[in-house]
Amino acid sequence: LAKTTQPISMDSYEGQEVNITCSHNNIATNDYITWYQQFPSQGPRFIIQGYKTKVTNEVASLFIPADRKSSTLSLPRVSLSDTAVYYCLVGDGNTGTASKLTFGTGTRLQVTL
Amino acid sequence: DAGVIQSPRHEVTEMGQEVTLRCKLISGHNSLFWYRQTMMRGLELLIYFNNNVPIDDSGMPEDRFSAKMPNASFSTLKIQPSEPRDSAVYFCASTEGSIGYTFGSGTRLTVV
Repeated sequence: LAKTTQPISMDSYEGQEVNITCSHNNIATNDYITWYQQFPSQGPRFIIQGYKTKVTNEVASLFIPADRKSSTLSLPRVSLSDTAVYYCLVGDGNTGTASKLTFGTGTRLQVTL
Repeated sequence: DAGVIQSPRHEVTEMGQEVTLRCKLISGHNSLFWYRQTMMRGLELLIYFNNNVPIDDSGMPEDRFSAKMPNASFSTLKIQPSEPRDSAVYFCASTEGSIGYTFGSGTRLTVV
């Protein structure tokens, strides 16, 4: 399983764009990159998934360079409610049945006024 | 869809007692994962099933832990006997095959 490395914590002011970068040097050909968000006392929530280039949804954007050895989760104009732990994971996205995802320590994002 | 449903939300039990945690998958999902979360160790994968079959139980701490899927929509995680170090939040998650899991709200277990 590809190991991921991401900053332990980040701070931001409300209204700013936040970019969290994750390294996954040993990513395999079949691996997809996925990000989860976890609020206190809740289970992780899937945010976004991508394989290469750029993916955007209503919550975030995911930027993946050509070598796929890293990825950046971009949260536009964060608010206080975006304060959470963000996890970057890689896993085989090609199989019809799921492969396991191993969560690291995540990035604790603190948004303040 | 009501999502992944876990019960109970909170469980307090005495050391040595049997504890059973329950999880109902989202209809149509065929993979089920049990995770445990503590401050010290973060989120740990305990076991996962594909199509009701246990695929990897290497994360189960010891023989006191067991998990079953009696049918395609339901799973239990049992701890017998429980110990204080088992205190944690236990999450189950399901998916239809992608790596976009849906997690339940968790069961907070306290063993005293």
